[in-house]
Amino acid sequence: EAGVAQSPRYKIIEKRQSVAFWCNPISGHATLYWYQQILGQGPKLLIQFQNNGVVDDSQLPKDRFSAERLKGVDSTLKIQPAKLEDSAVYLCASSLGQVSYEQYFGPGTRLTVT
Amino acid sequence: AQKITQTQPGMFVQEKEAVTLDCTYDTSDQSYGLFWYKQPSSGEMIFLIYQGSYDEQNATEGRYSLNFQKARKSANLVISASQLGDSAMYFCAMRRSNDYKLSFGAGTTVTVRA
Repeated sequence: EAGVAQSPRYKIIEKRQSVAFWCNPISGHATLYWYQQILGQGPKLLIQFQNNGVVDDSQLPKDRFSAERLKGVDSTLKIQPAKLEDSAVYLCASSLGQVSYEQYFGPGTRLTVT
Repeated sequence: AQKITQTQPGMFVQEKEAVTLDCTYDTSDQSYGLFWYKQPSSGEMIFLIYQGSYDEQNATEGRYSLNFQKARKSANLVISASQLGDSAMYFCAMRRSNDYKLSFGAGTTVTVRA
């Protein structure tokens, strides 16, 4: 079974630029999560999708962050414009459903904002 | 709000010895789940073990066991017979049963010495 795929693995941008991250979850997984992991901290949930609907985006900075999962499969997370404090690893995870306790994580995208 | 505390930022352990990673949590919920994840330098989070708040037996998965003390709100991870490949960051996490959101602690870095 193929795991959660993410791209790019690394990205360096200047502040005020925009960036997009892509995630392809495990086939058949209805629930998709985006987490932000700042260096030295645990991951923090940004947004959760159930199929193509948003379940929770309470911690997503909506003035600059957006995410979509149009067909209930792949997802894109965008930051526009980026700030220095957005430097972090962005992890995507998926699970069979919201109740399923096991989340499978991708390798993450390491973003550096200079 | 729930809070996960991991007080050990870093630990060294000799190969083949056991190591205990501390985790305490704070919640007013009666029903919740506790998790441990491993994050090697490659970046992805690997699910290790799960304990439900109503489970009477401590969870075990191979060399991993979870020492669950509900009254103390403690969920320590024990890794027995440490291997060099166990060197990684370890995160304790809790999931509420009403919204299934995962909250992570700050993590503990484990370094296994030959």
